[in-house]
Amino acid sequence: DTAVSQTPKYLVTQMGNDKSIKCEQNLGHDTMYWYKQDSKKFLKIMFSYNNKELIINETVPNRFSPKSPDKAHLNLHINSLELGDSAVYFCASSPSGIADTQYFGPGTRLTVL
Amino acid sequence: GNSVTQMEGPVTLSEEAFLTINCTYTATGYPSLFWYVQYPGEGLQLLLKATKADDKGSNKGFEATYRKETTSFHLEKGSVQVSDSAVYFCALHIGGYQKVTFGIGTKLQVIP
Repeated sequence: DTAVSQTPKYLVTQMGNDKSIKCEQNLGHDTMYWYKQDSKKFLKIMFSYNNKELIINETVPNRFSPKSPDKAHLNLHINSLELGDSAVYFCASSPSGIADTQYFGPGTRLTVL
Repeated sequence: GNSVTQMEGPVTLSEEAFLTINCTYTATGYPSLFWYVQYPGEGLQLLLKATKADDKGSNKGFEATYRKETTSFHLEKGSVQVSDSAVYFCALHIGGYQKVTFGIGTKLQVIP
C-alpha cells in the first residue's frame, strides 16, 4: 500500500494552461505539505496544512492554490502556467507537525512548454 | 532565522570508501535534526534522525551525531556501496507548526 501517493507522475503542458496535482496519504497524518524541487535538487516548501487548515504559506505566486478537502488529501492547482513552474512537485505528510519525520510522495514532474 | 549548510556535491567515491558529508546548522531554539535520502526518480525518505544533543542516529550503516557545541550533524558511513548513490539532504525542524529547513542536498556517486 502506497503511503503518500500523487497523480499524475508526469505532466507536460503548454504555457498559460491550468493544471492540478492530487495528493493522498493513508497514514492518518494530520499535516500535509507541498514542496517544489528545482533542477539543482533544491527543495523549497510552498504550503502546509494541518487538519485542512492552512498553516504555512511561503512566498508563492497566487497562481498556486492548495486545497484540502479532508486531512488525507491536499491538492495543488496552478493557473496560467509559466516556463519557470517546470519542476518536480512533492507532496509530504507528517503525524503532527511537531519535529517529526516527513513522508514524501514519489513526485510529479511538471514540464511547461 | 533557521538555516542548514551542507557541502555541495557531487561527491564521487569508489566502492568501500569512507563517506563523510558535512552538515552545520543555525537555529533559534532546540531543533531535531534529520538526514533524508533521495534515490534517482523517487521522493525523499528518512535515513536517520536525532532529537537532542549527543544523540546518535543510525540506519543502513550510516551514522550522524547531534553536536550542539559545534552545531553539526555530519553523516558518515564506513564503506559505501554503489547502491548508496543518491542525493542526501540534511534538515532541521524546531517543532510546532514551523517549516522544516532543508540543506541544498549533496549528490553522492559511488563507482565500482
